Amino acid sequence: AIRMTQSPSSFSASTGDRVTITCRASQGISSYLAWYQQKPGKAPKLLIYAASTLQSGVPSRFSGSGSGTDFTLTISCLQSEDFATYYCQQYYSSPHTFGGGTKVEIK
Amino acid sequence: QVQLVESGGGVVQPGGSLRLSCAASGFTFSSYGMHWVRQAPGKGLEWVAFIPYDGSNKYYADSVKGRFTISRDNSKNTLYLQMNSLRAEDTAVYYCAKDAHPYYYGSETPFDYWGQGTLVTVSS
Repeated sequence: AIRMTQSPSSFSASTGDRVTITCRASQGISSYLAWYQQKPGKAPKLLIYAASTLQSGVPSRFSGSGSGTDFTLTISCLQSEDFATYYCQQYYSSPHTFGGGTKVEIK
Repeated sequence: QVQLVESGGGVVQPGGSLRLSCAASGFTFSSYGMHWVRQAPGKGLEWVAFIPYDGSNKYYADSVKGRFTISRDNSKNTLYLQMNSLRAEDTAVYYCAKDAHPYYYGSETPFDYWGQGTLVTVSS
């Protein structure tokens, strides 16, 4: 199975900050990479797919980049509603493995 | 609007069985592959199983292979997960999730809608 490694596992940030989360695949996955946001007690929400395509309805402050093995999720100007846990997922091959998650907390 | 509603969770003893259901509405269920994903308390997401839109194949995580069975009834717009020989480590919230793109047999699509989840607790 392809292993997905996210970093950092958690960090604190302030509203208005620019934040970047990294995801690395154990082998090349082309651009078959999605990012999800999950808030406590809620289901994950698709933010970005195909590494850089914004899902409909997702604010433009979210962006994704990368291909092959290295990917990033950037939030350009952190808002209060963005404090959550973020997961990357590869869908290049089965099993559809997820990263361990990155929790973004309020500083 | 797309809705996925899971049911069937609860408390079960180790070695027991449980069947989860996921009722779908707001889209053409028979055109989309469906997944089960679980999340143990305080942990990350783990993909469990996938069934294509026509039910022609089934795929499982190694951790559940031989114990869990995914199925679907397109006439009832419902996805199922039969869970047998349950273990303590199967304790989790189980989500059903929908493929973002129709008519895929394999894995080349993300999940665009998720249900609210149903909690399965395996404990004596």
